[in-house]
Amino acid sequence: DAGVTQSPTHLIKTRGQHVTLRCSPISGHKSVSWYQQVLGQGPQFIFQYYEKEERGRGNFPDRFSARQFPNYSSELNVNALLLGDSALYLCASSRQGLGEKLFFGSGTQLSVL
Amino acid sequence: QKEVEQNSGPLSVPEGAIASLNCTYSDRGSQSFFWYRQYSGKSPELIMFIYSNGDKEDGRFTAQLNKASQYVSLLIRDSQPSDSATYLCAVISRETSYDKVIFGPGTSLSVIP
Repeated sequence: DAGVTQSPTHLIKTRGQHVTLRCSPISGHKSVSWYQQVLGQGPQFIFQYYEKEERGRGNFPDRFSARQFPNYSSELNVNALLLGDSALYLCASSRQGLGEKLFFGSGTQLSVL
Repeated sequence: QKEVEQNSGPLSVPEGAIASLNCTYSDRGSQSFFWYRQYSGKSPELIMFIYSNGDKEDGRFTAQLNKASQYVSLLIRDSQPSDSATYLCAVISRETSYDKVIFGPGTSLSVIP
């Protein structure tokens, strides 16, 4: 079975632009969660979606939004990019929620210039 | 602000020794605890999870949980060079109506041949 897939793998944007990151979960997994990881730090929780509904949100500004589609894939959108948004964005899937094994994708490396 | 802290690294141990990784958390209501391993340039992968007080063993790995002390640890016996990685402690914290996952900053482990 395919693992969690994320696209694109790398992205370069300039301040003020908008970005959309995509994630496809493992087949049979209905929960998708998003994380921001800055080099040298642990992942920071952004959102969790289950059955197309937002089930959790971390301490991120409203510039960050997400959604989940009927096929359980997900998008993370970031508006008005700031230099500080430069990070690795990880997507993880699980069968139902956060309290079980999370399977992580390879991530999208976002650079904001 | 709910927090997860880990012993600062980097931690260096000789091959064959026991590596001890520690984690403390601030939310006394936390119920689920995870250890993830992250190799440089790779995504986190689950090593152990523990829900109840006491020890849980899986091969060379032992997770220990003490909810009264809000402390969880990971012991790696017979450490191998392939264990060299960053170890992330993750705690599931319950908000008013949803769960969120809080990762610690990670402890870098280096196993010296």
